[in-house]
Amino acid sequence: RKEVEQDPGPFNVPEGATVAFNCTYSNSASQSFFWYRQDCRKEPKLLMSVYSSGNEDGRFTAQLNRASQYISLLIRDSKLSDSATYLCVVTLYGNKLVFGAGTILRVKS
Amino acid sequence: NAGVTQTPKFQVLKTGQSMTLQCAQDMNHNSMYWYRQDPGMGLRLIYYSASEGTTDKGEVPNGYNVSRLNKREFSLRLESAAPSQTSVYFCASSALAGALETQYFGPGTRLLVL
Repeated sequence: RKEVEQDPGPFNVPEGATVAFNCTYSNSASQSFFWYRQDCRKEPKLLMSVYSSGNEDGRFTAQLNRASQYISLLIRDSKLSDSATYLCVVTLYGNKLVFGAGTILRVKS
Repeated sequence: NAGVTQTPKFQVLKTGQSMTLQCAQDMNHNSMYWYRQDPGMGLRLIYYSASEGTTDKGEVPNGYNVSRLNKREFSLRLESAAPSQTSVYFCASSALAGALETQYFGPGTRLLVL
């Protein structure tokens, strides 16, 4: 079983739509949680950290459910520029990141 | 600030050839990392250096060596390239080695081993 699992998609949505991605992790000792964004053939960039209480950054909302060991990302009012691969990332200890394979989002006009 | 830079951007090798991937950061970060990214898989950690003078193995270290030349530079060496090492290699850095530290990635090196 992969340590971090994501639906690979692609999720094809129209502009203005709301879309949600989920991610599950296998190790209950995971300490920190993140969403990274990766544009085609580019490097990953931190989108947002995920906290137990949930957190919001503009149109993006991240949630963590430790009991069920899943993380979610909600994008409201999707823009064309949101098209990318979204990587779910957890840390077990230190700063060793464990990446999911990513979920592809395509926003269409 | 350039952030994290990597050279070369692309490389084609024949099986058995050696090469060194270079990485440098200008953010005065202590920790540096090498990852590889393969289709359908997440980025996997090859080696990391929590601070200047230290290096440690990650998830997939076999076939690679690293050198933390100084605080700025962290190189990855393939001594005898194999087709299984065809991948995209990313270098990253973070200020510290703590769990909440953001990692900043370089643009990647695309390597093809024939």
